[in-house]
Formats: sequence, structure tokens, C-alpha cells
Amino acid sequence: DSGVTQTPKHLITATGQRVTLRCSPRSGDLSVYWYQQSLDQGLQFLIQYYNGEERAKGNILERFSAQQFPDLHSELNLSSLELGDSALYFCASTGINSGNTIYFGEGSWLTVV
Amino acid sequence: GQQLNQSPQSMFIQEGEDVSMNCTSSSIFNTWLWYKQDPGEGPVLLIALYKAGELTSNGRLTAQFGITRKDSFLNISASIPSDVGIYFCAGQQYSGGGADGLTFGKGTHLIIQP
Repeated sequence: DSGVTQTPKHLITATGQRVTLRCSPRSGDLSVYWYQQSLDQGLQFLIQYYNGEERAKGNILERFSAQQFPDLHSELNLSSLELGDSALYFCASTGINSGNTIYFGEGSWLTVV
Repeated sequence: GQQLNQSPQSMFIQEGEDVSMNCTSSSIFNTWLWYKQDPGEGPVLLIALYKAGELTSNGRLTAQFGITRKDSFLNISASIPSDVGIYFCAGQQYSGGGADGLTFGKGTHLIIQP
């Protein structure tokens, strides 16, 4: 158990819809990262938040957005979903308490039909 | 964007054999990490390397951070059935006072034949 909790574990939705994925980081970790894993693209960094503020952006589409709340949990919002958005979405966290090691959650499986 | 070239893409080995995989990059990284991912799970950190030239072991696993900061290898000795999975290398840079997101290789599928 990495200590990073993600919900939901599985989600099936239709094209054009919007979903929200939720992440609770390890206790005390201030940094949260979101990654997308697909068969063709592998693991891709999407975005990072640190203590509520956006820190770095990777290959995140404009249809996607994220935020980190005062209690440090984070949400990834995916809108106008397309078939190609079907993937495994991981949240990861790190911080001083984690020795700056990045720990991953178990992921949220998103299937767009 | 940055890319990590990880090889081999897959390995079919016999139990007890040693395994070696590596990653190269055109970019310099401050940290190299090796993760293992089992089906339905998130990547789990195996070894983290922080200094160029560093050689680190974790049980039967040994990894090295290349002198040029552009490559790393992972060795697994005396493989056992539970070593089956996908192994990822990852590079990390630091900017703006913090760690950037990880850049991952495509993974090495390790399959152990009975």
C-alpha cells in the first residue's frame, strides 16, 4: 500500500461526457502528480500541483484540468471525452515525509464508449 | 519533448537467470528511478539513483546512474517467478525549486518461462 488513494477504481462513460477522478496523497505530501497510461503512449506526465498551486505541466490536453484543495487532495477533470481518452490515470505524491520519493496510487481505469 | 529509450521491450527468461535492462536519454536527468508495475497496480519504486556514477543495490536488484547522467541500467540476479511484470525506468529533473514530473521509458516486459 503506497498510501496514495484514488477513486473511482473503474469508470465507464460515454463520449462527450465529463468525469472527475479523485486522489488523496500520502499523509503530509504536498506534491501531487497526475499521469496517464495508455498502450500506445505509455506513462505520460500530465500535471503537478504543490500545496494547492500548479507547479508543472506535461502533456495535458486543454479538455483536461486539475486542482489541489486546501486539504491537499486533488481532482483531475476530464471533459468532452473521446474514445482515445480511455486509459489508466495515476495519481502520485511526494514530499519531505516521503523522502522526496514519488509514490503512485493504484490508478483509475477510465473506459470511454 | 524528452524521451527515454528503454530496452529490451520484452524478455523471456528461465527462472534463475540474471536479467539486465537499460535506459538511455538525449537529456540529462538529476535522478533516475526504476519502477515495477504488476497488472492492475500502480508503479512501485524499486531503486532511486541520485548521483552520477552511483551504483545501488536492493536485494537481488542492482542499478547504476550513468556518468553522463543520460543513462541507467537495472540488473536482476537469480530471477524468481514473482519478478514477472513490467519494469519502467524514469528520469526526473529539478527546476523552479522543485522536482518536475517523471519522464518514463516504454517499459520492459519480463516473462519467466517455467
